[in-house]
Amino acid sequence: AQRVTQPEKLLSVFKGAPVELKCNYSYSGSPELFWYVQYSRQRLQLLLRHISRESIKGFTADLNKGETSFHLKKPFAQEEDSAMYYCALFSGGYNKLIFGAGTRLAVHP
Amino acid sequence: EADIYQTPRYLVIGTGKKITLECSQTMGHDKMYWYQQDPGMELHLIHYSYGVNSTEKGDLSSESTVSRIRTEHFPLTLESARPSHTSQYLCASSETSGGAYNEQFFGPGTRLTVL
Repeated sequence: AQRVTQPEKLLSVFKGAPVELKCNYSYSGSPELFWYVQYSRQRLQLLLRHISRESIKGFTADLNKGETSFHLKKPFAQEEDSAMYYCALFSGGYNKLIFGAGTRLAVHP
Repeated sequence: EADIYQTPRYLVIGTGKKITLECSQTMGHDKMYWYQQDPGMELHLIHYSYGVNSTEKGDLSSESTVSRIRTEHFPLTLESARPSHTSQYLCASSETSGGAYNEQFFGPGTRLTVL
């Protein structure tokens, strides 16, 4: 079955600390994965996609097929990073996305 | 300005009422989607559309219905609202091209509460 698991509902860190938001997936084919973010009172938006291999707002994510993981990392968290983060898997077909339950990142001063 | 609009943003309504959640986009996209999200849970796709007069059910069974008479408009209707319909409803749209993923752009959402 196709599934995305984000094991942490809440991740609380202090400003300047490293951040790792965990995401594991279950998919039989070659996966295409994304991180979406929703800041307070803003709409859900794409943060990054694994095929781009880019760093957005200091965040990176590496696809590890052996561990079926796509963890989101940032070396030094900022208060403005506080948001809900959703990992999502592209399931093909009609442009279908399968979302995880999300992790709330709270960065404290 | 290209955008996705959802109205109302918040709706509190009594059981048994008929409601329509509006979604419009000026992005020029063919594909549109409706997601349902309970607090702390995943977004689940409940409806999608490839274009005018095309609607399909998503993964999560829903008692709601949708229509796509115009490209830019994709309303969702509940004939008789129940407390179990209390949730957030997100509308999204995307382009159509090939088999690769086309980024979905999301509206601001409608938070529905049925008493």
